[in-house]
Amino acid sequence: EIVLTQSPGTLSLSPGERATLSCRASQSVSSTYLAWYQQKSGQAFRLLIYGASSRATGIPDRFSGSGSGTDFTLTISRLEPEDFAVYYCQQYGSSPLTFGGGTKVEIK
Amino acid sequence: QLQLQESGPGLVKPSETLSLTCTVSGGSTSSSGYYWGWIRQPPGKGLEWIGSIYYSGTTYYNPSLKSRVTISVDTSKNQFSLKLSSVTAADTAVYYCARRVEVAGGGAPIDYWGQGTLVTVSS
Repeated sequence: EIVLTQSPGTLSLSPGERATLSCRASQSVSSTYLAWYQQKSGQAFRLLIYGASSRATGIPDRFSGSGSGTDFTLTISRLEPEDFAVYYCQQYGSSPLTFGGGTKVEIK
Repeated sequence: QLQLQESGPGLVKPSETLSLTCTVSGGSTSSSGYYWGWIRQPPGKGLEWIGSIYYSGTTYYNPSLKSRVTISVDTSKNQFSLKLSSVTAADTAVYYCARRVEVAGGGAPIDYWGQGTLVTVSS
């Protein structure tokens, strides 16, 4: 099974700053089948990025994904107040599907 | 807008079977190109994929749970269900139902999630 390790565990930033979240896989992720999700308390998970770099429908362009193989990055170019949340990466190229442990982006 | 809503008992006794249903609105469980499945998150722990069922009826399970899991679809009710047998305290978790969508370029990320329901295993 592919283990995904996200870093840092918590990111403390101010609105307007740039956020860079990392997701490292224990083995290569097939065909860049990697997704990023946002979770806010009391709300359903929201798909942000799939295929490592494709934005899901309705996702603002301040969210971008990059990477391949074992190293992936989610970048939020300028943090808006609604972006403070927990972010998870997930690989869907190999069974079982697996998730990273999450990165919490909190207001500094 | 697709909506998924989990329902079922919030408390299950050890050794019994956990049963949850996900009701789909705004979409059809019989539409091609979708998988319907379950994910769970024990308190304070990470997300674990339980399994999925393709619109054709093919099932895919996490090997760690395969011997205890059954996922099925009832297209007449536009629902899908999870059964997890022989539960223990380790199965206490928030259970999410979710839809995976086949996308151009291949693969099937999760595009919709339910809000989740807490199931506690205790006598």
